[in-house]
Amino acid sequence: SYELTQPPSVSVSPGQTARITCSGDALPNQYAYWYQQKPGQAPMLIIYKDTERPSGVPERLSASSSGATATLTISGVQTEDEADYFCQSADSDGTPAFGGGTRLTVL
Amino acid sequence: QMQLQESGPGLVKPSETLSLRCSVSGASITRGTYYWGWIRRPPGKGLEWIGSLYYNGNTFYNPSLESRVTMSVDTAKNQFSLRLTSMSASDTGVYYCVKHGSETTGACFNHWGHGTLVTVSS
Repeated sequence: SYELTQPPSVSVSPGQTARITCSGDALPNQYAYWYQQKPGQAPMLIIYKDTERPSGVPERLSASSSGATATLTISGVQTEDEADYFCQSADSDGTPAFGGGTRLTVL
Repeated sequence: QMQLQESGPGLVKPSETLSLRCSVSGASITRGTYYWGWIRRPPGKGLEWIGSLYYNGNTFYNPSLESRVTMSVDTAKNQFSLRLTSMSASDTGVYYCVKHGSETTGACFNHWGHGTLVTVSS
């Protein structure tokens, strides 16, 4: 099955910049999507089609994609950003797949 | 505003079949060119896509679960359902119903139900 690889954890202090990567062989040809999940809540789409933000998502959350790696960047991290973040894409057949998730800890 | 709501048993015995239903409000499941699906998250693990279906009954499933999964749709009730057979402890987790895709956001999961916890235990 298709795999997307994320770091299990990222830690930053408030105000710093957090970067979460997502690697996958099909990313050069498939969009990357990002979700934020806080404890007790359903995941929420925060980035679609590599770089686009749904309405209501703060501008300090941004993303890029280059080659086989997609990156979620959170600038000026706030305590409310502490959550699990998942990337999602698809394999060459269009079968969806998620990365293993990254827990962002705000120190 | 679109809302999705899962319903079903919170406890399933090993080897039995899980049946979950998702009720959609605020939108018709027969409109648009998107799918409807199920995703789960086992405790301490990540998200896993189970499968998706179109309102005409077309389905596609996660290959790792395909032998145990059946999804169906009830357009009259604006609902869709999941059946997962031969449940085991590894199937324990929170199950979410989702809207899969849109013209704007592409092939992602842009609306989620609140989720329902399913525990497999005798």
